[in-house]
Amino acid sequence: QKEVEQNSGPLSVPEGAIASLNCTYSDRGSQSFFWYRQYSGKSPELIMSIYSNGDKEDGRFTAQLNKASQYVSLLIRDSQPSDSATYLCAVAISGSARQLTFGSGTQLTVLP
Amino acid sequence: NAGVTQTPKFQVLKTGQSMTLQCAQDMNHNSMYWYRQDPGMGLRLIYYSASEGTTDKGEVPNGYNVSRLNKREFSLRLESAAPSQTSVYFCASSEGSGANVLTFGAGSRLTVL
Repeated sequence: QKEVEQNSGPLSVPEGAIASLNCTYSDRGSQSFFWYRQYSGKSPELIMSIYSNGDKEDGRFTAQLNKASQYVSLLIRDSQPSDSATYLCAVAISGSARQLTFGSGTQLTVLP
Repeated sequence: NAGVTQTPKFQVLKTGQSMTLQCAQDMNHNSMYWYRQDPGMGLRLIYYSASEGTTDKGEVPNGYNVSRLNKREFSLRLESAAPSQTSVYFCASSEGSGANVLTFGAGSRLTVL
C-alpha cells in the first residue's frame, strides 16, 4: 500500500463548478499536510497547508483534514480554466519528520 | 529574488557518463532536497540535507551522491548514469529542519540514452 494515495484522474469539471480532490494516507501519526499545484512542465507550488482537523479556507480553496479517517481533501470553488493542473498531496509521515511523501497527483481539467 | 536555481535545465547523457546537477537557494533556508519525478510516480525524495554539513538518504538514493557545499548550495551527482535515471529532477528548500513548506526550483530534465 502506498503511503499517500490520490486518484490520478483525469478529473474534468465545468467552469464555475466545485472541484473536489481527495488524498488518503496510511500513517496515523502524520501531522502536516500540504497541497501543491503543478502546471504542465513547471515546478510544484504550494497552495495550502493544514495541520488540524477541520476546514481551512484561503480564497477559492478549502483544505479539509480528517485524521480519524486518514484523508485530506482540497475543494476548489468557482473553478477556472486557469486551475487546470496536477494537484499533489504531500504528507509529513511520522518518523520521517524531515521528509514529505507525495502522492502521484490528480490531473484536473476545468472546461470553459 | 531568484529563490531556488537549478542548472542545467536539460541534459542528455550516454549510459555510464557522469554529471552533476547544481542547486542554489538565496532564501537562507536550512534544509535542501533533491526529488525526482517520473510519470505516474509523483515526486520521490532522493537525498536531503537538514542543515549545512549533513545529508541523509531519501526513498530512492541508489545511484546518486550529494554534497551540501554550504548553506546555499546542494548538488546531486550521478557517477555512472543509467537509463532508469531518465527523469525530471527538482531541487527544493525549506526554512526549518523539519518537513515544511517547500520551495522548488524549475527542474532539470535528464535523459540517459
